[in-house]
Amino acid sequence: NAGVTQTPKFRILKIGQSMTLQCTQDMNHNYMYWYRQDPGMGLKLIYYSVGAGITDKGEVPNGYNVSRSTTEDFPLRLELAAPSQTSVYFCASSWGQGFTEAFFGQGTRLTVV
Amino acid sequence: EDQVTQSPEALRLQEGESSSLNCSYTVSGLRGLFWYRQDPGKGPEFLFTLYSAGEEKEKERLKATLTKKESFLHITAPKPEDSATYLCAVHLQGGSEKLVFGKGTKLTVNP
Repeated sequence: NAGVTQTPKFRILKIGQSMTLQCTQDMNHNYMYWYRQDPGMGLKLIYYSVGAGITDKGEVPNGYNVSRSTTEDFPLRLELAAPSQTSVYFCASSWGQGFTEAFFGQGTRLTVV
Repeated sequence: EDQVTQSPEALRLQEGESSSLNCSYTVSGLRGLFWYRQDPGKGPEFLFTLYSAGEEKEKERLKATLTKKESFLHITAPKPEDSATYLCAVHLQGGSEKLVFGKGTKLTVNP
């Protein structure tokens, strides 16, 4: 059982470039989330989805976009990367309504230079 | 403003030396409080969920408790493998999926 898988694990982007962070889960969870974690700060919610075709903004959505075409996949798109987007990104999933036990991926460490 | 504060920021213990981590919160309405463990370079790993004041949960050397204003994570006779950052998060009422995380407590247990 793979759980939540994120790719890539590391990436360096130049300012203005775009990229997609991939996230897939094999637990048939309806809820999926994207967080960013900055040094010394708590996790901040970027976007979340309560099911295929349904997404909503979290606390820090600016500069990001998401889509949810299947239950399994929840990619995060960065458009026109900026140094402020340098962070570690975590994808998570959970079953049921509300934030029940969530399973996190291993993270993607992104540096924008 | 909804806030979650964890203390201390860092804690060093000797193996076998019991202690507690604190998570205090000021939120408009609490649906649940979560404890996670995070190892370096890894994603958070779920430990406990607490829903109401007076509730307690245990797992091996860890015990989580909840009051109306704070939660404690008690670590009894810790081992070096308990070294990690422990994160507290609260799930707010109001229909939102917003989860507010604290900054974490970095625990180091020396042999």
